[in-house]
Amino acid sequence: NAGVMQNPRHLVRRRGQEARLRCSPMKGHSHVYWYRQLPEEGLKFMVYLQKENIIDESGMPKERFSAEFPKEGPSILRIQQVVRGDSAAYFCASSHHVLSLAGAADTQYFGPGTRLTVL
Amino acid sequence: SQQGEEDPQALSIQEGENATMNCSYKTSINNLQWYRQNSGRGLVHLILIRSNEREKHSGRLRVTLDTSKKSSSLLITASRAADTASYFCGETSGSRLTFGEGTQLTVNP
Repeated sequence: NAGVMQNPRHLVRRRGQEARLRCSPMKGHSHVYWYRQLPEEGLKFMVYLQKENIIDESGMPKERFSAEFPKEGPSILRIQQVVRGDSAAYFCASSHHVLSLAGAADTQYFGPGTRLTVL
Repeated sequence: SQQGEEDPQALSIQEGENATMNCSYKTSINNLQWYRQNSGRGLVHLILIRSNEREKHSGRLRVTLDTSKKSSSLLITASRAADTASYFCGETSGSRLTFGEGTQLTVNP
């Protein structure tokens, strides 16, 4: 039972290039979340997606960043025209999101992350 | 100040001792989740405690939740060198997890 998979694990880009980060959720999970972790900091929420829908993108920069979770295939976090400040670890998490009677969200399981370095 | 704020920021103990880490949060949570992150690695889920629970155990881990004080604690008993990692609490409000900066735990052999 594979966990959340992310690729690539390491990605190096020059300023102005595009970065594409992929995330395959755990089997049976239809909810995907992306987080960013800057060096020496905690994780910051970016975006929450369900299949073919963006549910909450309030943590994602308005420009250059986009995310999708198509009907088939992995979720993609895309960063256009990367800048040095985009260098960080990007983590994807997935959940089954079965709401309990208390309305509580389900456990999020994290992937190993993609470490983006912008030269 | 940050939501899901952990305290202390760093903790160094000897193997066999207990380690207690605290977390304060600001929102009305659905649940609170504790994670561990080894250096340069992804997050490993430890325990989820729901807003209507007060205490939860898993092996050497014990988590408490005080919703009146909006705080939670993670206790690791009989620590081992392999417990050395950063520990984060994530408050869940809706579907979003909001993390603090974490507590860096070092267990010396």
